[in-house]
Amino acid sequence: LAKTTQPISMDSYEGQEVNITCSHNNIATNDYITWYQQFPSQGPRFIIQGYKTKVTNEVASLFIPADRKSSTLSLPRVSLSDTAVYYCLVGAGQAGTALIFGKGTTLSVSS
Amino acid sequence: DTEVTQTPKHLVMGMTNKKSLKCEQHMGHRAMYWYKQKAKKPPELMFVYSYEKLSINESVPSRFSPECPNSSLLNLHLHALQPEDSALYLCASSQDPGQARQSYTFGSGTRLTVV
Repeated sequence: LAKTTQPISMDSYEGQEVNITCSHNNIATNDYITWYQQFPSQGPRFIIQGYKTKVTNEVASLFIPADRKSSTLSLPRVSLSDTAVYYCLVGAGQAGTALIFGKGTTLSVSS
Repeated sequence: DTEVTQTPKHLVMGMTNKKSLKCEQHMGHRAMYWYKQKAKKPPELMFVYSYEKLSINESVPSRFSPECPNSSLLNLHLHALQPEDSALYLCASSQDPGQARQSYTFGSGTRLTVV
């Protein structure tokens, strides 16, 4: 499975746009990229998933360049409630595999 | 129903006790997972069930025993645990093991304390 590298932590203020970049140099051809959000003492929650180019939903956008070796999660106009750990995961689409979490990025939003 | 339900939410057990964690989903998902998460660490994969058969065991000690009675239910039987096994135990499910495009749905976890 492709290993992912993310910044350990990021700080932001309410109302700002936050971009978290994830590196996944060994991504396989059929791997999708998925981002999860986790609050303390809760299970991770699916945010967004993509394969290439740009994906947008009601909470975030995901930008994936043509070589797919990295991806960027964009959170528009963050609020205090977006303070959480964000995980970038790749792969686990083959039988006998499962998602392996990296260290994630702890996002702290201040007022 | 789009949820994974875990019970109990909290569990305190002695090192000689036997207890079980339960996980249930009614989304028709055919893969189910157990993860263990220590404080300020990412979730660590323990077991994977694919079509009700154990497909991955990440070298978990035998004091943890998983069971998948049917496609909707996943149990984790605990026996003779150690204090270092105290953690948040997360259950997850996904649509179709081996499908490239799938997402995991996680439960809220069971906070286990071994005394």
